[in-house]
Amino acid sequence: DQQVKQNSPSLSVQEGRISILNCDYTNSMFDYFLWYKKYPAEGPTFLISISSIKDKNEDGRFTVFLNKSAKHLSLHIVPSQPGDSAVYFCAASENNFNKFYFGSGTKLNVKP
Amino acid sequence: DGGITQSPKYLFRKEGQNVTLSCEQNLNHDAMYWYRQDPGQGLRLIYYSQIVNDFQKGDIAEGYSVSREKKESFPLTVTSAQKNPTAFYLCASSRSVSIGETQYFGPGTRLLVL
Repeated sequence: DQQVKQNSPSLSVQEGRISILNCDYTNSMFDYFLWYKKYPAEGPTFLISISSIKDKNEDGRFTVFLNKSAKHLSLHIVPSQPGDSAVYFCAASENNFNKFYFGSGTKLNVKP
Repeated sequence: DGGITQSPKYLFRKEGQNVTLSCEQNLNHDAMYWYRQDPGQGLRLIYYSQIVNDFQKGDIAEGYSVSREKKESFPLTVTSAQKNPTAFYLCASSRSVSIGETQYFGPGTRLLVL
């Protein structure tokens, strides 16, 4: 049973608008979360992370929000750009160890 | 330039055959990982290695084997015992297995059964 779920397989957004990608998890012991971005024919690349002691982490146009009570993670991209079109994976780990559980990914399409 | 290479990009396996997927990194990382991705599912950990000559089973190790004789290399063998080997395989590395160490991924190998 998947411990990390991304229920939206795809998302389409107009350039300049906000993209919101969502992720839910079931294991309350997860204490570190991150987002990866994947272009076709390439491996995933690290985008942004957040520790469970925080509820928000920002890096330029990318912000990750963590709601521990709801076991929910979201990635906001503002403003969205066509180059952001990719598959986004969320991942979670526990116990201070670098073993991650990944969601199935959301394919973001930013239209010019 | 530094990175992770995986070869081949596509690999075909006949029934009952073992095949080996290559993973090489020149990032001087101690830890290396193998993941499998199936359609509609997240990446699942097959094996990981914290250091040379050491490796541990992940969540779905059955039907797979690995070796870590060199720091730079972590080949994955898909044995005939793996009944459903068709998938996309990703190799990754990180400086260590400590939390917060970014995992860097290779481009992946797609394995198909003939």
